[in-house]
Amino acid sequence: DQQVKQNSPSLSVQEGRISILNCDYTNSMFDYFLWYKKYPAEGPTFLISISSIKDKNEDGRFTVFLNKSAKHLSLHIVPSQPGDSAVYFCAASGNFGNEKLTFGTGTRLTIIP
Amino acid sequence: ETGVTQSPTHLIKTRGQQVTLRCSSQSGHNTVSWYQQALGQGPQFIFQYYREEENGRGNFPPRFSGLQFPNYSSELNVNALELDDSALYLCASSRAGTQYFGPGTRLLVL
Repeated sequence: DQQVKQNSPSLSVQEGRISILNCDYTNSMFDYFLWYKKYPAEGPTFLISISSIKDKNEDGRFTVFLNKSAKHLSLHIVPSQPGDSAVYFCAASGNFGNEKLTFGTGTRLTIIP
Repeated sequence: ETGVTQSPTHLIKTRGQQVTLRCSSQSGHNTVSWYQQALGQGPQFIFQYYREEENGRGNFPPRFSGLQFPNYSSELNVNALELDDSALYLCASSRAGTQYFGPGTRLLVL
């Protein structure tokens, strides 16, 4: 039973364009959502989070959108840079982040120069 | 501010052996969580410790056990290693909300 799903295993985007990564969840008890970026042989690096009381959160080039009725969130990266090439994981938690994280299977983003 | 550190970085064991992995929390963080990441998968929650007490456990057998120390560092112990235990083991620390990960320990069981 996969409660967090990232249906696109991979995505290629031209440098300078917008990258959009998607994530769906099934558990209504999730109230805190995070995006992590992972390079090979490293641990996940925290990028951005959003609480269920918001529908948008921005941090520099990264924006996360949350649609609670659709149980869907997306990460927008604008403009995309070569250093953004990595695997991106969506994660969800209850109790506003104080419980375990449930991860999706990841999307490999490749930025084409 | 020191981030989350883990040791060792790599480890090779044989089936049936026991292993201990170590994690030092980020300064000021009192909660440690452990995850197992198999190849091509997202990290799977093993357990969480808050102020030295287990505070939640995932779907892992009892041969996976842990400890948290007064300085909030932590250990993950795995007994009777199986081939399927080969994975990247990640430790994450937090104080309230966001979990920050260490670089992981890659365990290979032969």
